[in-house]
Amino acid sequence: EPEVTQTPSHQVTQMGQEVILRCVPISNHLYFYWYRQILGQKVEFLVSFYNNEISEKSEIFDDQFSVERPDGSNFTLKIRSTKLEDSAMYFCASSDYPKNTDAFFGQGTRLTVV
Amino acid sequence: AQSVTQLGSHVSVSEGALVLLRCNYSSSVPPYLFWYVQYPNQGLQLLLKYTSAATLVKGINGFEAEFKKSETSFHLTKPSAHMSDAAEYFCAVSLNTGNQFYFGTGTSLTVIP
Repeated sequence: EPEVTQTPSHQVTQMGQEVILRCVPISNHLYFYWYRQILGQKVEFLVSFYNNEISEKSEIFDDQFSVERPDGSNFTLKIRSTKLEDSAMYFCASSDYPKNTDAFFGQGTRLTVV
Repeated sequence: AQSVTQLGSHVSVSEGALVLLRCNYSSSVPPYLFWYVQYPNQGLQLLLKYTSAATLVKGINGFEAEFKKSETSFHLTKPSAHMSDAAEYFCAVSLNTGNQFYFGTGTSLTVIP
């Protein structure tokens, strides 16, 4: 069964460093998303991406964040200068909307900023 | 604006007992509604979804949910809890635009043997 894969599963970084979280969406999907879940809190939307551009973003997704689809398979989230409060589980998702309305989520990358 | 409220951050049931996890939504347009499950150290897995077809939706692992427009609810139920059902459950709403999902705060289900 096709699945969304994320790497790495866990990343530890020092405050102020740049991190890139990687995702390989399901191959025939056109919509891609990043969500995050701070420990003990709800899953929050960060950004959606369609047709090689951001289609929607939340207030959380400030200038420190960027997304890119550098090739035909990868979808990345970059945090330019990490802060302690960026520590969270980051989920990538993809969907084949409008064919289907649900999104398939990856296993997540746990980012720990120290 | 769209939002989801899950009543009860923690629910405990005995093995074999009824599971009822509550979800109420707010949406300015007819919503699409979802239940996702998260097992420890894993990602989000779709349990079931409502997309304006039948109001009673059956999902995986014996779960089902009923869309009630008059009550703006989409509660998740399972007649008989199993130990393997212990997990975090998230209700979510989206518009039919292919964009973001709005998640609830989650309900942690504990199954007591």
